[in-house]
Amino acid sequence: DAKTTQPNSMESNEEEPVHLPCNHSTISGTDYIHWYRQLPSQGPEYVIHGLTSNVNNRMASLAIAEDRKSSTLILHRATLRDAAVYYCILCLSGTYKYIFGTGTRLKVLA
Amino acid sequence: NAGVMQNPRHLVRRRGQEARLRCSPMKGHSHVYWYRQLPEEGLKFMVYLQKENIIDESGMPKERFSAEFPKEGPSILRIQQVVRGDSAAYFCASSPAGQRSYEQYFGPGTRLTVT
Repeated sequence: DAKTTQPNSMESNEEEPVHLPCNHSTISGTDYIHWYRQLPSQGPEYVIHGLTSNVNNRMASLAIAEDRKSSTLILHRATLRDAAVYYCILCLSGTYKYIFGTGTRLKVLA
Repeated sequence: NAGVMQNPRHLVRRRGQEARLRCSPMKGHSHVYWYRQLPEEGLKFMVYLQKENIIDESGMPKERFSAEFPKEGPSILRIQQVVRGDSAAYFCASSPAGQRSYEQYFGPGTRLTVT
């Protein structure tokens, strides 16, 4: 079954870059990679997504390995408001459902 | 543009009662997805619906759970004869079309507690 693997937790200092890794070795050619984050008692919030090429938006960057078996979410300057659980998600070929990983709890230190 | 709305936000039911969870998608969105989140876990897909159609219910338990998205009104996730193991946060998401490159917009969730 398709799945993603993430570290349980990470820490970062405020205003420093953060690299959140994700392994998805079972990914197939047309599975999309999405990243969302979730604050306590809230629904997940979209961060970024991609297929093969690296992607940038106002929130973050997504670096996808050439073989697509891993990806890294990059927050360029972490702020206290970025403290959340970050989920790496696969959207599988032929379906529209998201397969969530267990998430990485990011702690940002002032 | 209002986001995805879910109600109630908190629901308490005794074992054996029925729970009805409602989801109003974002304006212009015709695709709805339901997910369940157990404490300290990631979200698990339950069902994907379009107006009046269930497209994928591969994540729905075979018994007691049902979902609908009528032509008019919100999507409803219905749990009959609730048990303690049904206690979880239930999230609804919507998208403008069923394409994997589109993001899904999530609601704030309904937290179901079964006593």
